[in-house]
Amino acid sequence: SYELTQPPSVSVSPGQTARITCSGDALPKQFAYWYQQKPGQAPVLVTYTDTERPSGIPERFSGSSSGTTVTLTISGVQAEDEADYYCQSADSSGTYLLFGGGTKLTVL
Amino acid sequence: QVQLQEWGAGLLKPSETLSLTCAVYGGSFSGYYWSWIRQPPGKGLEWIGVINHSGSTNCNPSLKSRVTISGDTPKNQFSLKLSSVTAADTALYYCARGVNGGGYLDLWGRGTLVTVSS
Repeated sequence: SYELTQPPSVSVSPGQTARITCSGDALPKQFAYWYQQKPGQAPVLVTYTDTERPSGIPERFSGSSSGTTVTLTISGVQAEDEADYYCQSADSSGTYLLFGGGTKLTVL
Repeated sequence: QVQLQEWGAGLLKPSETLSLTCAVYGGSFSGYYWSWIRQPPGKGLEWIGVINHSGSTNCNPSLKSRVTISGDTPKNQFSLKLSSVTAADTALYYCARGVNGGGYLDLWGRGTLVTVSS
């Protein structure tokens, strides 16, 4: 079955740039989306259609896409960015949605 | 401000049927796609399925045989039924609003915990 693959964890110091990747064979055909989930809270959309950012999301969050890999970049990481991040996309036919396994971002 | 709220039985025995409802407050039910997602304790997100404003549904192939999703447009509500539950179905269940043909989820409920235990 189709899967989206993320690294389990990423660690960065405050002010540095964090990059979280998500790989999947159908990503050249389907948009990817990123969600941030803090403990005890529901996920929040932070990027959509690969590169767009919803209103209210800080500019330091950005998305990019290259072939079968999409990347969430957080520039100038702040302590409040410590959270789990999930990529989400669809299968190649667009029939069903799926999530990556999630990446825990630790701000050192 | 649009809000989603889930509710349903929080404790089930194995083999019972999970039944949850999600209400949409402060916004339109029509024109959107409405999804169910779950998250087992300490684990990642799993998409369960979706219903659109016209009543068409689609489900995760791994759950399809046990899932029923239905909608009640006049009440601005949609529901999930998951049959023959086991301990593996213990999770926080979220409802969410899908946009762009349901491609992504821009609004989530707070989630409701369902525990399956004998």
